[in-house]
Amino acid sequence: DVKVTQSSRYLVKRTGEKVFLECVQDMDHENMFWYRQDPGLGLRLIYFSYDVKMKEKGDIPEGYSVSREKKERFSLILESASTNQTSMYLCASSLRKLEQFFGPGTRLTVL
Amino acid sequence: GQQVMQIPQYQHVQEGEDFTTYCNSSTTLSNIQWYKQRPGGHPVFLIQLVKSGEVKKQKRLTFQFGEAKKNSSLHITATQTTDVGTYFCAGFPFGNEKLTFGTGTRLTIIP
Repeated sequence: DVKVTQSSRYLVKRTGEKVFLECVQDMDHENMFWYRQDPGLGLRLIYFSYDVKMKEKGDIPEGYSVSREKKERFSLILESASTNQTSMYLCASSLRKLEQFFGPGTRLTVL
Repeated sequence: GQQVMQIPQYQHVQEGEDFTTYCNSSTTLSNIQWYKQRPGGHPVFLIQLVKSGEVKKQKRLTFQFGEAKKNSSLHITATQTTDVGTYFCAGFPFGNEKLTFGTGTRLTIIP
């Protein structure tokens, strides 16, 4: 059974904190993605990666960075969390341009 | 930039009625995917359409890809309570490696 896991379902942080969101997939997919989901805005791509140590900016990369040291793991980093980064964060993986498999999501609240 | 819009944003139907959501892209797409997200869940892949004018069916669900490959639709016949959720289209613009998600249509069923 294919799986994408995310480190936390719920996370509460304070403004200015550094936040790490971890995502792991067990399908040997080369592509991994980070989205944020906000009501009425759908899913917006933050960053994606097509290979280890490779990253590409998505549509809303400002305030975020990523790390992909191993094929199965893709981390999203909020260098200095702000209240406007309160959101649902979804990780996904895929093989080439085929279907994306999503993790359960992390609901992040920044106070 | 690339935009994918979906209408309507919300749809409330009586159980047994039909439902349709429409997806429109500002640019031509190489393919289009559809996802369903149940309340409290994560997006789950439904189908991918690649060819101009393509029509695919999954039981009560019918998916169409427009002739110009800039629009798509999902039609559900005789809705059931299990159809509740948000339906997203997502497309790859030609020459672009980024999957762009639509804004989603949230379907609620009145029993």
